[in-house]
Amino acid sequence: QVQLVESGGGVVQPERSLTLSCAASGFSFKSCVMHWVRQAPGKGLEWVSGISLDGNDKHYADSVKGRFTVSRDNSKNTLNLQMNSLTTEDTGVYYCAREGYGSGYCGTFDPWGQGVLVTVSS
Amino acid sequence: DIQMTQSPSTLSASVGDRVTITCRASQSISGWLAWYQQKPGKAPKLIIYEASSLMSGVPSRFSGSGSGTEFVLTISSLQPDDFATFYCQQYQRYPPTFGQGTKVEMK
Repeated sequence: QVQLVESGGGVVQPERSLTLSCAASGFSFKSCVMHWVRQAPGKGLEWVSGISLDGNDKHYADSVKGRFTVSRDNSKNTLNLQMNSLTTEDTGVYYCAREGYGSGYCGTFDPWGQGVLVTVSS
Repeated sequence: DIQMTQSPSTLSASVGDRVTITCRASQSISGWLAWYQQKPGKAPKLIIYEASSLMSGVPSRFSGSGSGTEFVLTISSLQPDDFATFYCQQYQRYPPTFGQGTKVEMK
């Protein structure tokens, strides 16, 4: 079955870096646009970043542009998010999600991983 | 960016009630709207896409309608498993944006 498993979360001090990974299985990873979406504690959902099939086209939310870098390794079915210059505002659960494909479905997020918690604190 | 506004933020209802959640976009998004259900401690789950298309396996008591800037998620008869937070999301253009969420709680 389709599965997305995030890893790499933890507690990190402000201004430090952290890299998240998402291991995909059960589908053709190289054929799917992938995204990161985050959720601050007790808050709503915020799209963070998206990456094209071949990794050449990347998009970022303004709140992370210049600090976060998304990448993918299609040979390893892995999605990554390098997060630099972290602030307390980056604290939250980070989800990787596959973009839906097909008529009317492209642009949605389905499915999502279970999420990984990132806590930025001194 | 396209702003998405949901109402109400919280909704108290009982099992069997008909529940309606509204989502408004700051500009027209045609029908490029999705609804997600999120339960505490779990990842969101896509339940409706393209404003009114039900995902496979989602109970038929869920339905979506609307186009342009105003959309509605309806649960025809609320069941115990439906108590959750619901989010709308536009995918007309980048960046994809979500509503702030509507928590459906037990009255």
